[in-house]
Amino acid sequence: DGGITQSPKYLFRKEGQNVTLSCEQNLNHDAMYWYRQDPGQGLRLIYYSQIVNDFQKGDIAEGYSVSREKKESFPLTVTSAQKNPTAFYLCASSIGGQVNEQFFGPGTRLTVL
Amino acid sequence: AQSVTQLDSQVPVFEEAPVELRCNYSSSVSVYLFWYVQYPNQGLQLLLKYLSGSTLVKGINGFEAEFNKSQTSFHLRKPSVHISDTAEYFCAVSVNAGKSTFGDGTTLTVKP
Repeated sequence: DGGITQSPKYLFRKEGQNVTLSCEQNLNHDAMYWYRQDPGQGLRLIYYSQIVNDFQKGDIAEGYSVSREKKESFPLTVTSAQKNPTAFYLCASSIGGQVNEQFFGPGTRLTVL
Repeated sequence: AQSVTQLDSQVPVFEEAPVELRCNYSSSVSVYLFWYVQYPNQGLQLLLKYLSGSTLVKGINGFEAEFNKSQTSFHLRKPSVHISDTAEYFCAVSVNAGKSTFGDGTTLTVKP
């Protein structure tokens, strides 16, 4: 079955540690996205990538980093510079282009203790 | 830049009643519009989309939406809701190639 996988489902880290969230897709999509979701605030775009080896900052990129070395993978690193990292993180992908229908993974809930 | 406003943060309804979730957008150019549904602790799933053509769009689970260009709205409707429709619903618009703008979401709670 084609789809997007995110791992792990739940992640706990100590304050000050960097952590990397995994996102893999086998839909052959060119574009991939990372969103942060907090209660009552909808989805906020962190980073997006329209093609391999290229990515752009979204609305809340500070304290995060990404890479796009392979078409099917778009890992997100939450660095110690992110002041409030506890949130639900969603990865998505799309074919690319203007229509931008997005397919979402199941999400990773990160809790920083 | 485009923006999306979901006019109701929470909508409680009784089972088998009709429901409308309201979405307005702003954009100076043509848009593509989407409604997504999110069940607790899950990712989003596409309900329906408007790309062009007929302004009445039908989606999964009995939902439909009507694109109104003059009012810049894309309201989501269902004539009779079920308990299983309890979820959060997001309206989204894409204009620029490469990304979408999402509304803040509407929590639909269906009561028995």
